[in-house]
Amino acid sequence: DQQVKQNSPSLSVQEGRISILNCDYTNSMFDYFLWYKKYPAEGPTFLISISSIKDKNEDGRFTVFLNKSAKHLSLHIVPSQPGDSAVYFCAASVVTTDSWGKLQFGAGTQVVVTP
Amino acid sequence: SQTIHQWPATLVQPVGSPLSLECTVEGTSNPNLYWYRQAAGRGLQLLFYSVGIGQISSEVPQNLSASRPQDRQFILSSKKLLLSDSGFYLCAWGQPPATNEKLFFGSGTQLSVL
Repeated sequence: DQQVKQNSPSLSVQEGRISILNCDYTNSMFDYFLWYKKYPAEGPTFLISISSIKDKNEDGRFTVFLNKSAKHLSLHIVPSQPGDSAVYFCAASVVTTDSWGKLQFGAGTQVVVTP
Repeated sequence: SQTIHQWPATLVQPVGSPLSLECTVEGTSNPNLYWYRQAAGRGLQLLFYSVGIGQISSEVPQNLSASRPQDRQFILSSKKLLLSDSGFYLCAWGQPPATNEKLFFGSGTQLSVL
């Protein structure tokens, strides 16, 4: 049962424009959300995160929006750059006090930034 | 600073052969350790996690096993590989306890079972 879904397997965007990546989840207990970026043959690297007590978190060109009522989050990249071409994974967890929560990942969205 | 080492980077093994993938973490103590697998065209699937030496939790039934002989060492094993074990295996660590912690991944092992 896929609890985190990224319904767009790929996204093509022109350099300098905005990239919008979407992610939906089904488990209302999730309270922490993350985005990871992955290049081929490498491990994912952490990009940005958001707690369920917030609806927006911004870090440079990257902004994550959370809509808890819709169980939806999105990642905005503005402006998009060629180096942003990668696979982006959405992840979610239920944070516990005694041990870190296990991440549930989406299937990923391949972003291609064209000149 | 913390670093995570995972090897080998690529591995080609025949069906029925054994497997041993090793992961070590430096610069931190008592981390949570994880093994994930990415099959072709799929997301990351959690296989095992460990909150301490000798403590292993399995997320999915399979012919793989994991061990944590030392605080910062995590090993993924199999006695007999199946074709379906092919995939990209990732080790990761996280630091408990936390309300906003994240995972740090190794560079991965591409396993091809032929």
